[in-house]
Amino acid sequence: DTEVTQTPKHLVMGMTNKKSLKCEQHMGHRAMYWYKQKAKKPPELMFVYSYEKLSINESVPSRFSPECPNSSLLNLHLHALQPEDSALYLCASSHPPMGNTIYFGEGSWLTVV
Amino acid sequence: SQQGEEDPQALSIQEGENATMNCSYKTSINNLQWYRQNSGRGLVHLILIRSNEREKHSGRLRVTLDTSKKSSSLLITASRAADTASYFCEPSGSRLTFGEGTQLTVNP
Repeated sequence: DTEVTQTPKHLVMGMTNKKSLKCEQHMGHRAMYWYKQKAKKPPELMFVYSYEKLSINESVPSRFSPECPNSSLLNLHLHALQPEDSALYLCASSHPPMGNTIYFGEGSWLTVV
Repeated sequence: SQQGEEDPQALSIQEGENATMNCSYKTSINNLQWYRQNSGRGLVHLILIRSNEREKHSGRLRVTLDTSKKSSSLLITASRAADTASYFCEPSGSRLTFGEGTQLTVNP
């Protein structure tokens, strides 16, 4: 069982909707990440938060807006998405710095219609 | 930064056989990790091997590391249908990125 919890597991949203994906971990990790994964492709890093500050943004469109309210929570706010944004969104966490084991959640399946 | 490159891209074997997959990387590392991803699920950490280690075991898993060749291998012995998954390596310095992985199919 994963110790990184993601909600919701499935989300269907229209292109004009605003929704959020949520992620929570209680392992005391101070680095948290969002990945996007399309079918039959590897996870692609989107954002990295380290000590609650955004440290890496991999040129992600502004329709994706991350938020880290505290050291245990990570949100991904979604607005005006496109059908090609449909994917599995994975949250993960680890102890900083990079090179430590990454713990992944089970993901949120997003479908944009 | 670097990412690992897994080989082969796909591997299909019968239950009970051994499966070997390889990972190559470009620059020196502190450690290298292997992850498994079952279809539609999150990645699960399997094993970490440090740069001063040549071999490490965990249950049916055996990982080797050859820093002179900048390569690692993951051996799964006595494979089971439940081992069907994608396997990814992550060398340190990869900036949290992954290669295409090896898709392992274990046929019952």
